[in-house]
Amino acid sequence: QVQLVQSGAEVKKPGASVKVSCKASGYTFTSYAVHWVRQAPGQRLEWMGWINAGNGNTKYSQNFQGRVTITRDTSATTAYMELSSLRSEDTAVYYCARWGGYCSGGSCQGYFDYWGQGTLVTVSS
Amino acid sequence: NFMLTQPHSVSESPGKTVTISCTGSSGSIASNYVQWYQQRPGSAPTTVIYEDNQRPSGVPDRFSGSIDSSSNSASLTISGLKTEDEADYYCQSYDSSTVVFGGGTKLTVL
Repeated sequence: QVQLVQSGAEVKKPGASVKVSCKASGYTFTSYAVHWVRQAPGQRLEWMGWINAGNGNTKYSQNFQGRVTITRDTSATTAYMELSSLRSEDTAVYYCARWGGYCSGGSCQGYFDYWGQGTLVTVSS
Repeated sequence: NFMLTQPHSVSESPGKTVTISCTGSSGSIASNYVQWYQQRPGSAPTTVIYEDNQRPSGVPDRFSGSIDSSSNSASLTISGLKTEDEADYYCQSYDSSTVVFGGGTKLTVL
């Protein structure tokens, strides 16, 4: 069965970086993309970016440009999200999600069919 | 930037029907598919509607989705409400190959 298992909770100080992993199993890792979505306490879902696990291409939200890096290790079937220059507003649950869609000519289709369990990142001095 | 606007909250009684709207800020909401996600407290979201009006296997047919181009909006309709439907619901679409989420709607079934 398809599973996305994320790394455990993290506590970081302002200015530090955090790297969250998302271990995929039960499907061909390189046939899907992995997206990262975060949710601050009591707030909305916020999309961060995605990686094509096949070719490694990435796209990031403008809201995180320069601070977020998404990578993958195909041999480990794992995707990673690293967020730098952390501030208190980055305290949130971070989710990875599998996406079998595609984009063409500026339009996209597809949906998040499996999600990781979420990783709480707390930024506090 | 393209934005999706949802009502903050809706409430309805068990057995009734409720509709949650999702309005696009510009362009045509029909130019990209819309998805709907249900999120219960403490859990990851799950898909209830994808590609405007498709249900993943396992989602009851009480859930339906539609697009209204005239109002540039998408809607999620839940009929025969059950207390277990109480959750946050998010619409999602795309803008220039980036993902856009609505602000979420808290559904209370009372």
